[in-house]
Amino acid sequence: RKEVEQDPGPFNVPEGATVAFNCTYSNSASQSFFWYRQDCRKEPKLLMSVYSSGNEDGRFTAQLNRASQYISLLIRDSKLSDSATYLCAVNGFAGKSTFGDGTTLTVKP
Amino acid sequence: DAGITQSPRHKVTETGTPVTLRCHQTENHRYMYWYRQDPGHGLRLIHYSYGVKDTDKGEVSDGYSVSRSKTEDFLLTLESATSSQTSVYFCAISESLAGGDNEQFFGPGTRLTVL
Repeated sequence: RKEVEQDPGPFNVPEGATVAFNCTYSNSASQSFFWYRQDCRKEPKLLMSVYSSGNEDGRFTAQLNRASQYISLLIRDSKLSDSATYLCAVNGFAGKSTFGDGTTLTVKP
Repeated sequence: DAGITQSPRHKVTETGTPVTLRCHQTENHRYMYWYRQDPGHGLRLIHYSYGVKDTDKGEVSDGYSVSRSKTEDFLLTLESATSSQTSVYFCAISESLAGGDNEQFFGPGTRLTVL
């Protein structure tokens, strides 16, 4: 079983839709959590950190559930420009990140 | 954007040849990482460094070695390249260890093809 698992999708949604991604992790000692966005043939870029209290950045909301060991990303009012692959990352010792394989989102007109 | 560059950006080489990839940062971050990214496997950690001359193995380190003689440079060497090492290689940096926002910043990647 992988340390970090994501539904690979693809998720194909119309503009304006709300879409949610989940990511589960197996190491209960994990310290910090992130969502990254990766465009085709580009490097991953940090989208947002994930805090226990939940956090929001515009149309994006991230949540952490330590008891069930998963993090989630909610995107409201999807835009064409949101089309990308979304990677969750779980950090442990030495700041090492373990990444999920990514979930591909395509937003269609 | 964080100041991270990788060189070369593209390389085609033959099986059995040595290859060195370079990662250079201008952020003075302590931690540096090398990943490879392949379809169906996501990002996998090859090696990482927690300071000058301090390195350790990641989950897919076989066939790779690294060196860090200066804070700003982290080199990845394939001693004898194999076709299974055809991949996209990303370097990343991180500032801190303990808790908080120790997110990683990635370089633009190197596309390596081993024929």
